[in-house]
Amino acid sequence: RKEVEQDPGPFNVPEGATVAFNCTYSNSASQSFFWYRQDCRKEPKLLMSVYSSGNEDGRFTAQLNRASQYISLLIRDSKLSDSATYLCVVNKPPKDTGRRALTFGSGTRLQVQP
Amino acid sequence: ETGVTQTPRHLVMGMTNKKSLKCEQHLGHNAMYWYKQSAKKPLELMFVYSLEERVENNSVPSRFSPECPNSSHLFLHLHTLQPEDSALYLCASQRDYRDGGDTQYFGPGTRLTVL
Repeated sequence: RKEVEQDPGPFNVPEGATVAFNCTYSNSASQSFFWYRQDCRKEPKLLMSVYSSGNEDGRFTAQLNRASQYISLLIRDSKLSDSATYLCVVNKPPKDTGRRALTFGSGTRLQVQP
Repeated sequence: ETGVTQTPRHLVMGMTNKKSLKCEQHLGHNAMYWYKQSAKKPLELMFVYSLEERVENNSVPSRFSPECPNSSHLFLHLHTLQPEDSALYLCASQRDYRDGGDTQYFGPGTRLTVL
């Protein structure tokens, strides 16, 4: 089983649509969760952290379900500029001294169409 | 901008060449990372340096040799690479987790082509 699993897409949606991405992770001791965005041929950039209580940043809402080891990202009122690959990212717990880095999912590609 | 720079941005090299990739961060972070991103694959962690000490070498072939002379600079020395090593090489930095660091910031990457 992959450490972080995402639907690769692509998701093709019209402008103004609401789209949701899901992600599951395998390590129940993971403590930090993020969504990164990666544009074509560019580096990943942090979109938002994901907190247990759920959090919102403008049109973006992230949620975490620790019991199900499931993370989601909801984008409302999609814009053309939202077209990118969205990476689900999980940080290994600090007690796992062999891994202090992030584990990335393969990403879900979103294409917003006019 | 992220405050993490990488040079060169593009590199084409032959299998017998020796080259180095450079990463510099201006964020005051003390942990730095090398990742490899091949086409249609997730980012693969290669090396981790924390407080200038290599804390992880993720089974990377010896033809890749990292160097971290100080907390702001990270190098990846390349020699006798193979065509399958062609990829985007990304550097990232963060505050060490012992200092509460959590978020990584990436440089723009070096797109490497091995002929």
